Amino acid sequence: AQSVAQPEDQVNVAEGNPLTVKCTYSVSGNPYLFWYVQYPNRGLQFLLKYITGDNLVKGSYGFEAEFNKSQTSFHLKKPSALVSDSALYFCAVRDGGSGTYKYIFGTGTRLKVLA
Amino acid sequence: GAGVSQSPRYKVAKRGQDVALRCDPISGHVSLFWYQQALGQGPEFLTYFQNEAQLDKSGLPSDRFFAERPEGSVSTLKIQRTQQEDSAVYLCASSGAGGNTGELFFGEGSRLTVL
Repeated sequence: AQSVAQPEDQVNVAEGNPLTVKCTYSVSGNPYLFWYVQYPNRGLQFLLKYITGDNLVKGSYGFEAEFNKSQTSFHLKKPSALVSDSALYFCAVRDGGSGTYKYIFGTGTRLKVLA
Repeated sequence: GAGVSQSPRYKVAKRGQDVALRCDPISGHVSLFWYQQALGQGPEFLTYFQNEAQLDKSGLPSDRFFAERPEGSVSTLKIQRTQQEDSAVYLCASSGAGGNTGELFFGEGSRLTVL
């Protein structure tokens, strides 16, 4: 069975500082990994994905994430946080080798960027 | 359309009433997903369609929940005899090309409150 864990309910960071939002996963096959962002009363918006290839993937709004197979992690990062980055972030995984179409989401991490 | 559209955005139902939630996916998107998001939680998978075929309904919590997509476009999630535990935001997402490795495009959700 596939699963994803986001160990931090909330991350606080000062504007201009680097940010990291953690995600670990478990799948039996090849992991397809995604990050989404959710603003209040809005649907989830896609940020970036890892399917294959380079372990460092770049996405929208200056975000990037690093796939680490040995640590089964896919942490979201940004070199310099903005107040407007404050939102709820979800990591998601799909087992690419199982034939399932399910995307499994984590419980979310609330990011607060302080001015 | 320009994005995934869901209606109604807000629904208040008395316990025992039936409700129907509609999803208009992005035109041409083959894959359609329904998720349930309880307050403070991540989205939980309910069901998946590829065109008009419901390929996975393993996440539907009970036989009171029913989803259809008869012409492979618009989808309806129906909840019969609503209970208080059904209160949640119901998210619809669509994806092109069989939803294989592509990102999901989410609607803004339908918030259901059961009194």
